[in-house]
Amino acid sequence: KQEVTQIPAALSVPEGENLVLNCSFTDSAIYNLQWFRQDPGKGLTSLLLIQSSQREQTSGRLNASLDKSSGRSTLYIAASQPGDSATYLCAPKGYSTLTFGKGTMLLVSP
Amino acid sequence: GAVVSQHPSRVICKSGTSVKIECRSLDFQATTMFWYRQFPKQSLMLMATSNEGSKATYEQGVEKDKFLINHASLTLSTLTVTSAHPEDSSFYICSARGPGVPTTDTQYFGPGTRLTVL
Repeated sequence: KQEVTQIPAALSVPEGENLVLNCSFTDSAIYNLQWFRQDPGKGLTSLLLIQSSQREQTSGRLNASLDKSSGRSTLYIAASQPGDSATYLCAPKGYSTLTFGKGTMLLVSP
Repeated sequence: GAVVSQHPSRVICKSGTSVKIECRSLDFQATTMFWYRQFPKQSLMLMATSNEGSKATYEQGVEKDKFLINHASLTLSTLTVTSAHPEDSSFYICSARGPGVPTTDTQYFGPGTRLTVL
């Protein structure tokens, strides 16, 4: 059974900092891995999807990397802004389903 | 991009009543829909997977007679929580995927439904 761990559980930074969110998973037999953003009381917004054959994906200030063999992914956020404050979820995809971590709650203060 | 809606966004009900939550794909055909439950500060837990026109497949530990799922069309799935109790209070989120949207792999998530059972 896939288990996903996200570190840190919470992070508070001043605006402008670059930061890294970590995700590890126990079963490396994945098809892809997604990073999502969840605002309080809201649904999920997909940020990046990395296929198992890829090493990284970039979208604007976000860069996600994947090391499938070691069961790790990182999400790098450059020049953080208060609007980035949210919970970030990592979800590797197995044969048919996504398995979610508990997320990293990010607070970016002005 | 593909949009998934849920209705209602919030519902409060008395213990023992049944509640129906709708999940719709607005601009694509959702051949597969998923229902998740999320407790505070916890990860999303998959409850069941449904393919259009077929019976839902439930995850271990999820009571299929309590959480009735119907995926009768390519744009609508419903989750009915029967005889709801306070421990069923949670945030329920659906997601959907379909062929070529933009890939069959991609799941799009609804905004969620907050259920509170008194």
